[in-house]
Amino acid sequence: SQQGEEDPQALSIQEGENATMNCSYKTSINNLQWYRQNSGRGLVHLILIRSNEREKHSGRLRVTLDTSKKSSSLLITASRAADTASYFCATDPTTGNQFYFGTGTSLTVIP
Amino acid sequence: EAGVAQSPRYKIIEKRQSVAFWCNPISGHATLYWYQQILGQGPKLLIQFQNNGVVDDSQLPKDRFSAERLKGVDSTLKIQPAKLEDSAVYLCASSLDPAARSGRALFFGPGTRLTVL
Repeated sequence: SQQGEEDPQALSIQEGENATMNCSYKTSINNLQWYRQNSGRGLVHLILIRSNEREKHSGRLRVTLDTSKKSSSLLITASRAADTASYFCATDPTTGNQFYFGTGTSLTVIP
Repeated sequence: EAGVAQSPRYKIIEKRQSVAFWCNPISGHATLYWYQQILGQGPKLLIQFQNNGVVDDSQLPKDRFSAERLKGVDSTLKIQPAKLEDSAVYLCASSLDPAARSGRALFFGPGTRLTVL
């Protein structure tokens, strides 16, 4: 399977703390995207990082990519209760023409 | 800008019955996707359309699932007959053009939660 795997599966933190979740994948990629899914809703695109980039920032989000280790991490700083959601990475392999979503990390931010 | 619309939001059927889902993508988006998301898992692509042509349906169980995108806008996904393992959320997404390689973001609808009893 080309599906990525997120780690941890579940994460619970206090409001104001930082949350880090990781994504590992198996094949060479063109880019990697992170999505958020609130309970009972569709996915929302957060950020994209291309294979030639190592780090990218967007507001309270920081994404890193290590293509040699085939892994990416998503850091959410100063978390808020509204950040409670599931987070998925989606990889765009260099072969084929579709994205592969990971298994997701369920984040709970306790007020 | 209106988002991706899907209906119905919820559907409960008996096994062996048929069901259809409808999707209206964001205006101007040429690429439309149907994903299946089983509880606790990430979305899995069922079919991808570019305008009204199929780009990828390699993971669509064609013995029971069918999809069409007439006139390159709205799309319907049908299951006939349904099995217990089809219980999942069916997500429709769209993008301006194929997201793979281009780095385009996918815009998702709220999904249809299907329960097969």
